[in-house]
Amino acid sequence: NAGVMQNPRHLVRRRGQEARLRCSPMKGHSHVYWYRQLPEEGLKFMVYLQKENIIDESGMPKERFSAEFPKEGPSILRIQQVVRGDSAAYFCASSPGTPNGGNQPQHFGDGTRLSIL
Amino acid sequence: EDKVVQSPLSLVVHEGDTVTLNCSYEVTNFRSLLWYKQEKKAPTFLFMLTSSGIEKKSGRLSSILDKKELSSILNITATQTGDSAIYLCGRTGNQFYFGTGTSLTVIP
Repeated sequence: NAGVMQNPRHLVRRRGQEARLRCSPMKGHSHVYWYRQLPEEGLKFMVYLQKENIIDESGMPKERFSAEFPKEGPSILRIQQVVRGDSAAYFCASSPGTPNGGNQPQHFGDGTRLSIL
Repeated sequence: EDKVVQSPLSLVVHEGDTVTLNCSYEVTNFRSLLWYKQEKKAPTFLFMLTSSGIEKKSGRLSSILDKKELSSILNITATQTGDSAIYLCGRTGNQFYFGTGTSLTVIP
């Protein structure tokens, strides 16, 4: 039973490049959540998606960041024109299909450590 | 403003001690409260609490929600070095918020 799979585990980019982070939810899960974690800080919610729909992107910066969860394939968190401040661990979580996603625990992937040079 | 506040920020105890970790949250659109244990990688799910006053247990860990006080505690009895981790508390509702975590270190 594969858990939430994130790749790559580590990603290094230079300032101005694009970063693409992938997340495959657990089997049977149709809700995906992206979080950012900075050193010494907790998980900060970014975006909540269901298949082909963004449900809540209130935690995501308005510029340079975008997320999708297509009908086929993994969820993608895309960061354009990366800056040093984007360096963080990005975690993806998934949960089963429940209205509003509120009453099922989220299961996390191992995260992608993004480093910006 | 902080939607979820955890205390203490860090804790160092000896093996065998009992610890209590605290979490307080905002009530707006509250649906459930979640506890996770984070070691070096992914946060691992521990408990989900939706009803006040009902204790959930898993081995030496237990947790309870107090909706009146808008808080939850996580208890760990007879701590072991393997309990050393960051314990995260999060709440769900219309949005999702996590606290900054409590860093627990258990010394042999």
